[in-house]
Amino acid sequence: DQQVKQNSPSLSVQEGRISILNCDYTNSMFDYFLWYKKYPAEGPTFLISISSIKDKNEDGRFTVFLNKSAKHLSLHIVPSQPGDSAVYFCAASSSDTGKLIFGQGTTLQVKP
Amino acid sequence: DVKVTQSSRYLVKRTGEKVFLECVQDMDHENMFWYRQDPGLGLRLIYFSYDVKMKEKGDIPEGYSVSREKKERFSLILESASTNQTSMYLCASSLGLGNEQFFGPGTRLTVL
Repeated sequence: DQQVKQNSPSLSVQEGRISILNCDYTNSMFDYFLWYKKYPAEGPTFLISISSIKDKNEDGRFTVFLNKSAKHLSLHIVPSQPGDSAVYFCAASSSDTGKLIFGQGTTLQVKP
Repeated sequence: DVKVTQSSRYLVKRTGEKVFLECVQDMDHENMFWYRQDPGLGLRLIYFSYDVKMKEKGDIPEGYSVSREKKERFSLILESASTNQTSMYLCASSLGLGNEQFFGPGTRLTVL
């Protein structure tokens, strides 16, 4: 049973426009959410996170939105740049287990 | 800067061989993790360790074992490699469970 789902395997966006990556989860015990970015042949790198007590967190061009009632989070990248082209993973954890559960990943391509 | 290193970037082994994947972190983190990444499946947790000599099964521990004799080092062992263990293996560490995890560059293992 996939507790964290990224239903779009890929996304293509023009440089300068907004990229929106989506993630859904099923476990209401999740209280911390993270986004990671992964380039080919490299390990994932942490991008941004949000606690369940917030509904938005912003860091430069990256903003994460959390909608707890819909069990949905999204990552907005504005403006998108070609260097943002990578695989993006969302992850969730609950304070009782502490383990991160990852989604399947979304491959973002930003075209010049 | 947290640094997580993995002993090999690429490895080719034969079916039935015993395989050791080594991971070292330099930030005195309590927790260490082994994942495998496969297309369309995201990152799946194999094993994790929250202290020296302590280990917990993740979601897919079958066919794997781990060893943590020192705080900075976490080894993944494939007792008898099989072709379905061909994958990208990622090691990570974190200060607390559920916190941001820092990943190594990964080991691409091919079992022939």
